[in-house]
Amino acid sequence: GEDVEQSLFLSVREGDSSVINCTYTDSSSTYLYWYKQEPGAGLQLLTYIFSNMDMKQDQRLTVLLNKKDKHLSLRIADTQTGDSAIYFCAESETGSQGNLIFGKGTKLSVKP
Amino acid sequence: GAVVSQHPSWVICKSGTSVKIECRSLDFQATTMFWYRQFPKQSLMLMATSNEGSKATYEQGVEKDKFLINHASLTLSTLTVTSAHPEDSSFYICSAPSGGYSYEQYFGPGTRLTVT
Repeated sequence: GEDVEQSLFLSVREGDSSVINCTYTDSSSTYLYWYKQEPGAGLQLLTYIFSNMDMKQDQRLTVLLNKKDKHLSLRIADTQTGDSAIYFCAESETGSQGNLIFGKGTKLSVKP
Repeated sequence: GAVVSQHPSWVICKSGTSVKIECRSLDFQATTMFWYRQFPKQSLMLMATSNEGSKATYEQGVEKDKFLINHASLTLSTLTVTSAHPEDSSFYICSAPSGGYSYEQYFGPGTRLTVT
């Protein structure tokens, strides 16, 4: 079945860039998402990318997609302590009308 | 932006009792809603797809008689955990598609269920 893999932890210093990586197995993935979850809270959509795109930039966030390798990354520039959270990679074949397949999440810790 | 609410945000119940969790789309209609379950330090796992006006579709391994889903209106879906046991303790999150050809789903803030 479909699978989404992420590293579980990442620790960076404030002001540095963070790069969170994700791999997926479903070649039919059309939409790829990054969600942020703060402690005890629900999910906040950070950004998304369509499978026919290689890169998307949105302020401090840059998403890179290597469709051949089924590899997705999220780069956060100038990481702040408020960026500390769990980041989930997710994929979907059908976008909003279908369920999302999530990775286990990467816990980002930002040290001052 | 569209908002999805859940109620309650947390609940503690005794083993054997039933608990109802509500998921509401506040400013848009949702003919479909998704119910996920999240264990500590784990990913979200889809439990079921709630469909307005018809039966819910459950994922493999999810007991439909234990997790009752009712999509009563275009803005409300409920998940009832019947005869709850401690192993049902988890974080339950619902989501609703934004509709049309949009890429986005809106997630509720989640409900923390603790069964003692």
